[in-house]
Amino acid sequence: GESVGLHLPTLSVQEGDNSIINCAYSNSASDYFIWYKQESGKGPQFIIDIRSNMDKRQGQRVTVLLNKTVKHLSLQIAATQPGDSAVYFCADVSNFGNEKLTFGTGTRLTIIP
Amino acid sequence: GAVVSQHPSRVICKSGTSVKIECRSLDFQATTMFWYRQFPKQSLMLMATSNEGSKATYEQGVEKDKFLINHASLTLSTLTVTSAHPEDSSFYICSAPRTSGGFETQYFGPGTRLLVL
Repeated sequence: GESVGLHLPTLSVQEGDNSIINCAYSNSASDYFIWYKQESGKGPQFIIDIRSNMDKRQGQRVTVLLNKTVKHLSLQIAATQPGDSAVYFCADVSNFGNEKLTFGTGTRLTIIP
Repeated sequence: GAVVSQHPSRVICKSGTSVKIECRSLDFQATTMFWYRQFPKQSLMLMATSNEGSKATYEQGVEKDKFLINHASLTLSTLTVTSAHPEDSSFYICSAPRTSGGFETQYFGPGTRLLVL
């Protein structure tokens, strides 16, 4: 079946450096993508989203890039801080209005002080 | 602040008992809510869609008689794990879609840790 997946299960980054977390999706009908951050023992926290009519969107210290040609999504976190250590999930909605999310496997980001 | 709450945050129960988990949307109404289960070091797996005023729709492989869902109001959905067994021990998370600025975003609750002894 079609799924949303991540390239790397773990990522370690020095504090202050930038980090990039990647996500590949296979459903060409996906038109809405979301990045979530999940800290240990907590529910996922919305970070940023992007719709298929965009290829870049920026938030506070975060940028999401969407490449529909190769079905690739990335989350860039600038000037990482210890509080950024968490598991990051990408999720997609294949039919906007359907509301059902398909989650990737997650990437554990560890910020090294 | 939080837009979706869950109660309880954690529960320990004996095998064979039933456990009810509540999911509430705060300051907004949700005709649809979602229930997920997450095992350690794994991703979230959608269990079912809770529909206000109608029956929940379950994902393939999820037993509807074991995981009872009731969407009692526009701000409350409950998940009851009936006759819980140790293999039901997991992290249960709900979500609710909230529309802002014409766009819809799913917000998640803080999760409920269930341990069945």
